[in-house]
Amino acid sequence: EDQVTQSPEALRLQEGESSSLNCSYTVSGLRGLFWYRQDPGKGPEFLFTLYSAGEEKEKERLKATLTKKESFLHITAPKPEDSATYLCAGENQAGTALIFGKGTTLSVSS
Amino acid sequence: GAGVSQTPSNKVTEKGKYVELRCDPISGHTALYWYRQSLGQGPEFLIYFQGTGAADDSGLPNDRFFAVRPEGSVSTLKIQRTERGDSAVYLCASSPGPGPDEQFFGPGTRLTVL
Repeated sequence: EDQVTQSPEALRLQEGESSSLNCSYTVSGLRGLFWYRQDPGKGPEFLFTLYSAGEEKEKERLKATLTKKESFLHITAPKPEDSATYLCAGENQAGTALIFGKGTTLSVSS
Repeated sequence: GAGVSQTPSNKVTEKGKYVELRCDPISGHTALYWYRQSLGQGPEFLIYFQGTGAADDSGLPNDRFFAVRPEGSVSTLKIQRTERGDSAVYLCASSPGPGPDEQFFGPGTRLTVL
């Protein structure tokens, strides 16, 4: 069964304290690995797509990396506005659905 | 508007009633998806449309759930004989076409079944 697992469930950081979020996946024939950000009461907002092991993408303080079994979202020198839930998802082999993890809720305090 | 819109934003209904949730995708997007998100969980896939046809409805939990997209743009998710367990946020997403494209999500409809 296709599955995506994220850890930790919650993460509290001080402003400027860098860390990483983990996403492990078992998705047969993975077509793409997606990262989304979700703020309370809103729909997920796209961050990155990674397609092959070794690929990396960056956007401001965020960098996403992909291996054959995991993806990491690295947050460098976070700010309070980075507080949100970060969702990881794998696209199924048929290309018809995203399979989401439960998310990591990040809180950054100043 | 440039984004995916969903109406209503909130819906409260009684157990056993019928509800319809509407999704307006981004203009020109041929792929449309419905997901359901319960509190503390990630979105759970329900159904995928490519154009007017449901290309994958394997996520619909039972035959009380049905979705249509008659003209290949607006979609309606229909739930018959609602149950308290149907309470969740229902999210709609669209993308330009099939394949691992970015899915653009709407703000969701929060359904509460009393």
